[in-house]
Amino acid sequence: AQSVTQPDIHITVSEGASLELRCNYSYGATPYLFWYVQSPGQGLQLLLKYFSGDTLVQGIKGFEAEFKRSQSSFNLRKPSVHWSDAAEYFCAVGGNNNDMRFGAGTRLTVKP
Amino acid sequence: NAGVTQTPKFRILKIGQSMTLQCTQDMNHNYMYWYRQDPGMGLKLIYYSVGAGITDKGEVPNGYNVSRSTTEDFPLRLELAAPSQTSVYFCASSYGELGTGVHEQYFGPGTRLTVT
Repeated sequence: AQSVTQPDIHITVSEGASLELRCNYSYGATPYLFWYVQSPGQGLQLLLKYFSGDTLVQGIKGFEAEFKRSQSSFNLRKPSVHWSDAAEYFCAVGGNNNDMRFGAGTRLTVKP
Repeated sequence: NAGVTQTPKFRILKIGQSMTLQCTQDMNHNYMYWYRQDPGMGLKLIYYSVGAGITDKGEVPNGYNVSRSTTEDFPLRLELAAPSQTSVYFCASSYGELGTGVHEQYFGPGTRLTVT
């Protein structure tokens, strides 16, 4: 089955600084890749997804992610972080089955 | 369009009690899922369903049961609650086609369950 690793449990950035959250996946075929965001006490909201085509995908709230097959990575980026971006971020991978595997999450703190 | 709704929001159970977590979606999605979220562990799939009358186990199905009699509803049953089932439970739904992969999932707000 597929699996996901998010190496960073917690990241702190200053407001206005750039952000990159790492995600590495393991899957034998072409993966379906997702980034979700979870605010405290809330469910998960989809930020962006990659199924095929252009490896740089744009999402909501100014986020983007790049699929790099050679590195089995799907890192999430934002050029300038806002205080409202503080949340937990989950990378997920799905395949040609009915299973979706989530990473353990990265908690983002934004300093004023 | 309410999306995915879950009830209750919070519940405290005693060991050995049973309960049903309710989940309803109004997006006519054929796929539905139950996850549990434990601190630092991400989400673990408990059960999923690809359509009414069809359910299957996920990563962590022990201690749970599900049924899917309609497209809209996917209740999760805990028969003999144990402290290990203390968690936050999320229901999700998506559109899917067998063999073509999982599409993005839409999540409910969660149910926080404590078993003491």
